[in-house]
Amino acid sequence: ELVLTQSPDTLSLSPGERATLSCRASQSVSIAYLAWYQQKPGQAPRLLIHGASDRATGIPDRFTASGSGTDFTLTISRLEPEDFAVYYCQQYTASPPRWTFGQGTKVEIK
Amino acid sequence: QVQLVESGGGVVQPGRSLRLSCAASGSSFRSFAMYWVRQAPGKGLEWVAVIWSDGSNKYYADPVNGRFTISRDNSKNTLYLQMDNLRADDTAIYYCARALYSSSWYWIDPWGQGTLVTVAS
Repeated sequence: ELVLTQSPDTLSLSPGERATLSCRASQSVSIAYLAWYQQKPGQAPRLLIHGASDRATGIPDRFTASGSGTDFTLTISRLEPEDFAVYYCQQYTASPPRWTFGQGTKVEIK
Repeated sequence: QVQLVESGGGVVQPGRSLRLSCAASGSSFRSFAMYWVRQAPGKGLEWVAVIWSDGSNKYYADPVNGRFTISRDNSKNTLYLQMDNLRADDTAIYYCARALYSSSWYWIDPWGQGTLVTVAS
């Protein structure tokens, strides 16, 4: 069973700073099936990035993703006030199909 | 832009049943795989079930397998989740969501606003 572990649990930063969020898989997975989601309080999640680094519609280019094997990173180059939220990584695995989420990283205002 | 609206949540006693519905706008509903994803209070996201666009395949997370049934009515643009033998740890917001692309099912977007299910005596 795949487990995704995100770190840190909470990231305290100021607007304008760079945020680096980690997602570690318990086994090697393909970045092609990895995604990152953003969730703000009281709202549904929304897709940010899927595949290697494809941003969803309307997602600004300050959001980028990278990684391979078991270690993946979401980077927010310069935090805007609207970026303070919880971020989840998600991986699809086949045989049988499963969609696994990490436990989330909260990016809060310092 | 597709909109997904869940309904059917509420308070239910342990061991009872509940059926959730998700109404989708637009004519493309029948072309996409659909999901249920839940979120326990103050917790993270947990995939629950998926159904292929034509209903031919359904898959479930282990905690709900054998108790929950996902189905869809493409003529009504509606997704369902029949939840039987509910337990306290099924308490969560249940989100209906669609596959990002009609040709694949790896990523999930858009999402509905969710419906809260509370299992308590």
